[in-house]
Amino acid sequence: QLQLQESGPGLVKPSETLSLTCTVSGGSISSSSYYWGWIRQPPGKGLEWIGSIYYSGSTYYNPSLKSRVTISVDTSKNQFSLKLSSVTAADTAVYYCARRNCPTIRTIRLCRAPWDYWGQGTLVTVSS
Amino acid sequence: DIQMTQSPSSLSASVGDRVTITCRASQSISSYLNWYQQKPGKAPKLLIYAASSLQSGVPSRFSGSGSGTDFTLTISSLQPEDFATYYCQQSYSTANFGGGTKVEIK
Repeated sequence: QLQLQESGPGLVKPSETLSLTCTVSGGSISSSSYYWGWIRQPPGKGLEWIGSIYYSGSTYYNPSLKSRVTISVDTSKNQFSLKLSSVTAADTAVYYCARRNCPTIRTIRLCRAPWDYWGQGTLVTVSS
Repeated sequence: DIQMTQSPSSLSASVGDRVTITCRASQSISSYLNWYQQKPGKAPKLLIYAASSLQSGVPSRFSGSGSGTDFTLTISSLQPEDFATYYCQQSYSTANFGGGTKVEIK
């Protein structure tokens, strides 16, 4: 059974960089069918897609966050990571990693599958 | 950027009630519409994908319909475990979510 687990600091200071890692178990991050992503949810609010990555390193970011987001993949560790720079209190949220399954798609922007597996989420608070 | 609007934002219903939630896209998204259920402190769970396909393991009382810009999620007979917040998400371009509909006990 595929499992995703987020990890990283729960407290980040304003103007610093938020860094999180998602570890995938029960399956290979290098499968050509899968796309991986980050989604966040501020306390009491809705869900916001941050960005996605393919095992090859191809990325696709939410335009509203693109200037501050970097998503990378480490296939040797079966992990992918999120970096969000210049954070403010508005970036306080539960951050989820998740998977999309697109078995016949090899271009990240064309993967239109739903997010079918999710991590449990990790709360990151931005505060001094 | 495609905007997703859900209505209502909240509703109160009783066990056994038929519940319908609506999601509208700001432009046509064909059938690239997914529905998720989220309970407090938990990750969202996929219920319906491609507007009307039931995810494996999801009870058949959940159903979805629509195409283009207008979509609905229907719970045919509300059960105690269905009280939660429901989100639609378009996967036609990027991956925007609707604002959510909280289903509460009447």
